[in-house]
Amino acid sequence: QSALTQPASVSGSPGQSITISCTGTSSDVGGYNYVSWYQQHPGKAPKLMIYDVSNRPSGVSNRFSGSKSGNTASLTISGLQAEDEADYYCSSYTSSSTQVFGGGTKLTVL
Amino acid sequence: QLQLQESGPGMVKPSETLSLTCTVSGGSISSSSYYWGWIRQPPGKGLEWIGSIFYSGNTYYNSSLKSRVTISVDTSKNQFFLKLSSVTAADTAVYYCARHSRIAVAVLGRFDPWGQGTLVTVSS
Repeated sequence: QSALTQPASVSGSPGQSITISCTGTSSDVGGYNYVSWYQQHPGKAPKLMIYDVSNRPSGVSNRFSGSKSGNTASLTISGLQAEDEADYYCSSYTSSSTQVFGGGTKLTVL
Repeated sequence: QLQLQESGPGMVKPSETLSLTCTVSGGSISSSSYYWGWIRQPPGKGLEWIGSIFYSGNTYYNSSLKSRVTISVDTSKNQFFLKLSSVTAADTAVYYCARHSRIAVAVLGRFDPWGQGTLVTVSS
């Protein structure tokens, strides 16, 4: 199973919005609404931010939102804050009943 | 709230078997709503799913690691385990355990929560 494709890095200024893409195939992202997104700060464990494409767990800011079109899922962060600077990973269920992660995107808040 | 904690040796010699334990507290591992998964992250690199197990013992594995991986569970101790055989330097990573949501039969979803992770270094 090949990793999902994410941009290596994105950046934005405080208050702006950014979008991170996650591209797979019809056997994973495109075939199921089971895409999740994780935030990871340096030296910390990943934290669930979005699940099932667009659902936010309790306690996650509504500045984080998710969507999907075809084989590409997206994570949007609005009103960027310094604390949002982190690595972000997408993950999807696959037709083989397995799980695949994206390569990760480093978000820099300028 | 539910917590997971990884434990095991921090260093393993090449060609030997890596063995880790994940202890679940604050909830039962014998829930029909969840699998229990292992994920690893080599230093400076991305996340890689290793495999997940149901309390009954049913497992799903990453095909790239399947020949070397065994995941097992002990419901009486609320623990599950990872064994990775014939390790090389490429298996050096932080190993995380996490609860893995079960959406339907053979359909898995999100990982939440995660343990803090444990660094395992493969070196002679």
